[in-house]
Amino acid sequence: AQTVTQSQPEMSVQEAETVTLSCTYDTSESDYYLFWYKQPPSRQMILVIRQEAYKQQNATENRFSVNFQKAAKSFSLKISDSQLGDAAMYFCAYRTPNFGNEKLTFGTGTRLTIIP
Amino acid sequence: DAGITQSPRHKVTETGTPVTLRCHQTENHRYMYWYRQDPGHGLRLIHYSYGVKDTDKGEVSDGYSVSRSKTEDFLLTLESATSSQTSVYFCAILPDRGSNTEAFFGQGTRLTVV
Repeated sequence: AQTVTQSQPEMSVQEAETVTLSCTYDTSESDYYLFWYKQPPSRQMILVIRQEAYKQQNATENRFSVNFQKAAKSFSLKISDSQLGDAAMYFCAYRTPNFGNEKLTFGTGTRLTIIP
Repeated sequence: DAGITQSPRHKVTETGTPVTLRCHQTENHRYMYWYRQDPGHGLRLIHYSYGVKDTDKGEVSDGYSVSRSKTEDFLLTLESATSSQTSVYFCAILPDRGSNTEAFFGQGTRLTVV
């Protein structure tokens, strides 16, 4: 079974600074999708960024970017110019490639605090 | 926003009573999922469905059952609620692979078993 590991239960960063959240996963597949979701106190799950495993280029969405290392099975999220609104739980997730029977597996999350 | 709603949003129930949570979607997506979220555990998969009447167990399925008689509805039932089932429950939907690969989530249901 696929597993997703987030080794940092909590992180903090000064406003306007850069922070990196780590995620590793275990799979024997070559084609899959990876995601970072943000969960603010409202409990809403919000997609931050996605990465397709067959694409070598790292995904970027404004201040959010990933460092995808396929061989190392690592998928870290970098947040640049941190803002107070970035404070939330962040979950890394993996989508299995088993067509017709797909699952989404989550890590345990990292709680990010922004220090004004 | 994707059309997915959960009901109820909050529920308090007594130990030993049955409870049913409903997930309704208007997107006609094949895949539907029930997760529970607990501190330190992230989101753990309870059950999922890959079509009408096609369901399977996730990693924490004990004490839960599901049904999907229509594409749009996925029901999660706690046959006899226990205090260990106090949690926040999320429903999610996932489209078939194509241009959109992300999952969409309901607002969550906070269930308290006393």
